[in-house]
Amino acid sequence: AQSVSQHNHHVILSEAASLELGCNYSYGGTVNLFWYVQYPGQHLQLLLKYFSGDPLVKGIKGFEAEFIKSKFSFNLRKPSVQWSDTAEYFCAAARNTGNQFYFGTGTSLTVIP
Amino acid sequence: DAGVIQSPRHEVTEMGQEVTLRCKPISGHNSLFWYRQTMMRGLELLIYFNNNVPIDDSGMPEDRFSAKMPNASFSTLKIQPSEPRDSAVYFCASSGWPGELFFGEGSRLTVL
Repeated sequence: AQSVSQHNHHVILSEAASLELGCNYSYGGTVNLFWYVQYPGQHLQLLLKYFSGDPLVKGIKGFEAEFIKSKFSFNLRKPSVQWSDTAEYFCAAARNTGNQFYFGTGTSLTVIP
Repeated sequence: DAGVIQSPRHEVTEMGQEVTLRCKPISGHNSLFWYRQTMMRGLELLIYFNNNVPIDDSGMPEDRFSAKMPNASFSTLKIQPSEPRDSAVYFCASSGWPGELFFGEGSRLTVL
């Protein structure tokens, strides 16, 4: 079965610290990859996406992610987090041959001022 | 672009009552998804449609849940009868292909 794994369930950082959230997917074919953010009390919003091309993808609010095909990974990074980055982060994958999306269980990030 | 529109935003009802949640996807999107989110179980896919046809409803918890998509611009998720354990935020999302999911703002359901 297809799946997306997020290894960090809860992360607590101080402002200005660097962030890396892990994401691995299990599908061996061509996939489209996404990171979504959910701020408290809000809906999921797209941070960034990878379909093809440059494996280093830049998204909104200074976030980026790197697709490493050999490791089936799509880790999210930000060099310096802010208090406003406190949120839940979801990694997702979708097969390139259909429209079924698979979400990870999410990582809760708390940034301490 | 109005985005995905869900209604109602909040619903409080009593156990045993019927609940109907509504969703209008983004115009031109051919896939529609219903998700449920709770603290205990996180984000769960209930059902998704491609071109108004249900493709995978394996996430629907039980027969009390049903979903329809009578046309490309409207979908409903119905719970009958509702139970307290159905309390959750229900998200509708739509997508063109290939593309990302766009989520609605959710319907927060409380069953007393």
